[in-house]
Amino acid sequence: KQEVTQIPAALSVPEGENLVLNCSFTDSAIYNLQWFRQDPGKGLTSLLLIQSSQREQTSGRLNASLDKSSGRSTLYIAASQPGDSATYLCAVRLNSGNTPLVFGKGTRLSVIA
Amino acid sequence: GAGVSQSPRYKVAKRGQDVALRCDPISGHVSLFWYQQALGQGPEFLTYFQNEAQLDKSGLPSDRFFAERPEGSVSTLKIQRTQQEDSAVYLCASSHRGLGYTFGSGTRLTVV
Repeated sequence: KQEVTQIPAALSVPEGENLVLNCSFTDSAIYNLQWFRQDPGKGLTSLLLIQSSQREQTSGRLNASLDKSSGRSTLYIAASQPGDSATYLCAVRLNSGNTPLVFGKGTRLSVIA
Repeated sequence: GAGVSQSPRYKVAKRGQDVALRCDPISGHVSLFWYQQALGQGPEFLTYFQNEAQLDKSGLPSDRFFAERPEGSVSTLKIQRTQQEDSAVYLCASSHRGLGYTFGSGTRLTVV
């Protein structure tokens, strides 16, 4: 059974700092991996989607990498801002059929002004 | 529509009451998923539809949970005889051709 783990569970950093969020998964035979952001009381906003054949994806200050063979992904946030404060969720999809996403528990990020 | 719409946004139910949660997916998205998110946890899969067919309901926690999508668009998640452990955020997501998922804002259910 696929399990997704996110480390750390919570993180507090001063504004302007670069930071890395970690995600690991037990079954490396994934189809894709997706990073989401969730604000308190809100739904999920997709940040980056990495297909299994890709190594990384970038969007603005965000960069996500994928090492499928080792079962790891990282989300890099450059020059963090207070508006980045949210919970970041990593999710994997096992195959190209319509299999559900398997989520980690998330990393709760606080960026202090 | 432009996004996945869920209603109601919040629902308070007395224990034992039946509830119905609605999801309007993005137009044209054939795949629709329901997830349950307990406080401090990641979302957990409940059930999946492809058009009107419910292809996977392995995540439904008990036979009190029932989902339908009769015309292949709007979906309803029904919970009968609600219990306190049903309190959670219920998220709906739709997908087109196996690409990334788009989630709704969720329905926060509180059973008192």
